[in-house]
Amino acid sequence: GNSVTQMEGPVTLSEEAFLTINCTYTATGYPSLFWYVQYPGEGLQLLLKATKADDKGSNKGFEATYRKETTSFHLEKGSVQVSDSAVYFCALSGAGYSTLTFGKGTMLLVSP
Amino acid sequence: DAGVIQSPRHEVTEMGQEVTLRCKPISGHDYLFWYRQTMMRGLELLIYFNNNVPIDDSGMPEDRFSAKMPNASFSTLKIQPSEPRDSAVYFCASSLASGSTKNIQYFGAGTRLSVL
Repeated sequence: GNSVTQMEGPVTLSEEAFLTINCTYTATGYPSLFWYVQYPGEGLQLLLKATKADDKGSNKGFEATYRKETTSFHLEKGSVQVSDSAVYFCALSGAGYSTLTFGKGTMLLVSP
Repeated sequence: DAGVIQSPRHEVTEMGQEVTLRCKPISGHDYLFWYRQTMMRGLELLIYFNNNVPIDDSGMPEDRFSAKMPNASFSTLKIQPSEPRDSAVYFCASSLASGSTKNIQYFGAGTRLSVL
């Protein structure tokens, strides 16, 4: 079946540091890949997505590239802000499926 | 659009009581999902509907849990009787079956349930 593995948190960074959150997946066929973000006390919201190999999703300074050869979709940001503190979820949607398979989430804490 | 609307935002009840959580999906969306989030188990899919019909309820933990979608704009998740281990944040999400936003799930703000 489909599965998503992402790095354990929390990830603790200082403001303006470089961020990488690793995500790898297992799926048959060609899934679509997503990053969702959950701010404290809120629901999950889509951060970015990629639907085919080598696509790069980007939003709010975050980027992730769909790497089929390594089955990865790592999230990166060049300079994090305190306001980026949140939990980040990697997810996939299998080809022909309507449900999402989520990773366990990675908490990011950014200090001033 | 106002997004996915859930009510209540917070619910505190006593063990054994019936609890009903409500969700209004985004207008025009074909799918509706109910999730439960806890620190121990993370985010779990409980049940989902397509065009108001339940498709997969294998994530519903016990017979104490039931969900309905009487029409395209409303769904309920009911727990009867409630137990302290049901304490969690319950999310509703909706999505489209086609188009450029296919399979992007839009989440409500959640209902934080505390069963004492």
